[in-house]
Amino acid sequence: DAGVIQSPRHEVTEMGQEVTLRCKPISGHNSLFWYRQTMMRGLELLIYFNNNVPIDDSGMPEDRFSAKMPNASFSTLKIQPSEPRDSAVYFCASSTGQGVRPQHFGDGTRLSIL
Amino acid sequence: AQSVTQPDIHITVSEGASLELRCNYSYGATPYLFWYVQSPGQGLQLLLKYFSGDTLVQGIKGFEAEFKRSQSSFNLRKPSVHWSDAAEYFCAVGVLAGAGSYQLTFGKGTKLSVIP
Repeated sequence: DAGVIQSPRHEVTEMGQEVTLRCKPISGHNSLFWYRQTMMRGLELLIYFNNNVPIDDSGMPEDRFSAKMPNASFSTLKIQPSEPRDSAVYFCASSTGQGVRPQHFGDGTRLSIL
Repeated sequence: AQSVTQPDIHITVSEGASLELRCNYSYGATPYLFWYVQSPGQGLQLLLKYFSGDTLVQGIKGFEAEFKRSQSSFNLRKPSVHWSDAAEYFCAVGVLAGAGSYQLTFGKGTKLSVIP
């Protein structure tokens, strides 16, 4: 079975550019989570969706960050404009069912903003 | 608000030795607890979880963890470490949120090195 698929795996771009990260959750999973991982702050939850609806975006650092989930099989995290401090590994995870369930993680996108 | 503390940033053990990674949580209600492992360049893989019932839970790769409510702990153990266990380990607490959803709060992780 396919796991959570993220693209691209690596992204290097110059500050000021728009960055779009993509995620395909596991088929049948109805919750989707975006995380950011840095050495300084560890794993931080940015936003999560339930049945394609954003439930909590309080972890989104600022207005430069936005996330969408147009359908059950696709989500994007966009940074515009990007800044060097956005450099991190961004993970997408999905889970199924109601209540607390294990989250399944993708392999992440390593983002470097020069 | 919930929180997770992993007191050890880095642990080194010899191959074949036993392992215990510490995790303490803070949460006002019954916690849902998880251990994940992350190998370099990869995402997090679920090792085991505690929802209710038996406080000693078995996971994959020979790992187990024990939930101790009185100590607010959920320590991860393995009786004999293999070189392939070298990775970073994350403890997490799951909390129910709105609209039937939930979120995980992770500790900062413990990096495990294994020496031959």
